[in-house]
Amino acid sequence: GQQLNQSPQSMFIQEGEDVSMNCTSSSIFNTWLWYKQDPGEGPVLLIALYKAGELTSNGRLTAQFGITRKDSFLNISASIPSDVGIYFCAGLGGNQFYFGTGTSLTVIP
Amino acid sequence: EAGVAQSPRYKIIEKRQSVAFWCNPISGHATLYWYQQILGQGPKLLIQFQNNGVVDDSQLPKDRFSAERLKGVDSTLKIQPAKLEDSAVYLCASSLLVAGVNTDTQYFGPGTRLTVL
Repeated sequence: GQQLNQSPQSMFIQEGEDVSMNCTSSSIFNTWLWYKQDPGEGPVLLIALYKAGELTSNGRLTAQFGITRKDSFLNISASIPSDVGIYFCAGLGGNQFYFGTGTSLTVIP
Repeated sequence: EAGVAQSPRYKIIEKRQSVAFWCNPISGHATLYWYQQILGQGPKLLIQFQNNGVVDDSQLPKDRFSAERLKGVDSTLKIQPAKLEDSAVYLCASSLLVAGVNTDTQYFGPGTRLTVL
């Protein structure tokens, strides 16, 4: 199945810094989702995007649905230690969800 | 609203044994998904149900994996016999997937971590 290109693969940042990650696809999607996964747990939905160009915030998190419908971006502002985890993007194409390879985030206090 | 429930959370078996996982989706969600997640990778779709019918099982290793959703609500995924490479987290997810609407949101359960020795 199709896998989305997610970058960067990993990030090591200082507490308080902002974080940006993105996801690209060769196909057009109708929905973009961003998840956070902690070790030993299932992915938890952070933000859902349904329209090209849509910009949505959830606390310190902001995500955008790319205008071409082939990409999406997630930004985390003023990172804190509990932001540590793996972030996955997912796109809905047809009736199936496709996932990125994940971005591992480490926040150094 | 209750989330997606899965059990057990952990399972350790020896190779060639069988194992079964259970999932109860969010109430009212027509579509149920089973994913396999190998450490360090994103979820890989094994099978997708809409109500009690299979939408996609193209990546399900049918010689050893089976899944059912008999009444269109909860689902069971079985592996028989298990191999070492089946060690992974098995995630269940559900979504509304309303007919005629091409947007959707998917919610995951906590997963079952399987270790095959």
